[in-house]
Amino acid sequence: QVHLQESGPGLVKPSETLSLTCTVSGGSINSHYWTWIRQPSGKGLEWIGYIHSDGSTIYNPSLKSRVTISQDTSKNQFSLKLTSVTAADTAVYNCARYRPAMPAFDLWGRGTRVTVSS
Amino acid sequence: EIVLTQSPGILSLSPGERATLSCRASQSISYHYLAWYQLRPGQAPRLLLSGASSRATGIPDRFSGSGSGTDFTLTISRLEPEDSAVYYCQQFDSPPFTFGPGTTVDVK
Repeated sequence: QVHLQESGPGLVKPSETLSLTCTVSGGSINSHYWTWIRQPSGKGLEWIGYIHSDGSTIYNPSLKSRVTISQDTSKNQFSLKLTSVTAADTAVYNCARYRPAMPAFDLWGRGTRVTVSS
Repeated sequence: EIVLTQSPGILSLSPGERATLSCRASQSISYHYLAWYQLRPGQAPRLLLSGASSRATGIPDRFSGSGSGTDFTLTISRLEPEDSAVYYCQQFDSPPFTFGPGTTVDVK
């Protein structure tokens, strides 16, 4: 059974870079799409972007200038980097698998909370 | 960007009752590109339906979906206490893949 687990610092200083990793176990990241979603406290879900195992990416235009999603197939991981963070980037960040056929995010990690504060 | 609106914001019901959740899109989308999720605190979000009405693996048939164009519905029949959660719709018609604001279902 495929399992996704987010990891990374829970606290990031303003103006710095938020870095998170999603480790996929029980299956290969190859031949799939992988995505990041976030949910600020008290707010709804926001899609950040996705990466295909061929390395191609699509980002939410609202975050595109600050976001990079990458992958390490040797570790079966994919990662999120968000630069120049502010308090508005404080949120629970989830990784998930994106299934383009009958589109959906069909498997999710539990999420990790990241607070932006000095 | 396609904006999704969900109603009601909060639904308080008793076990055994039926919940009807609405998701409205700012422009017409193919039913193929509409999904529903369940979020419970402390748990990984769970895909309920894709293609507006196709249940994901392991989802009981108490959960059903319908709709087309701009109006979609998630129905939960015979509510159980474990159905207490926030339910989100999401569109994949065009990036960015937006979510609705969610409907909180409280079963007690």
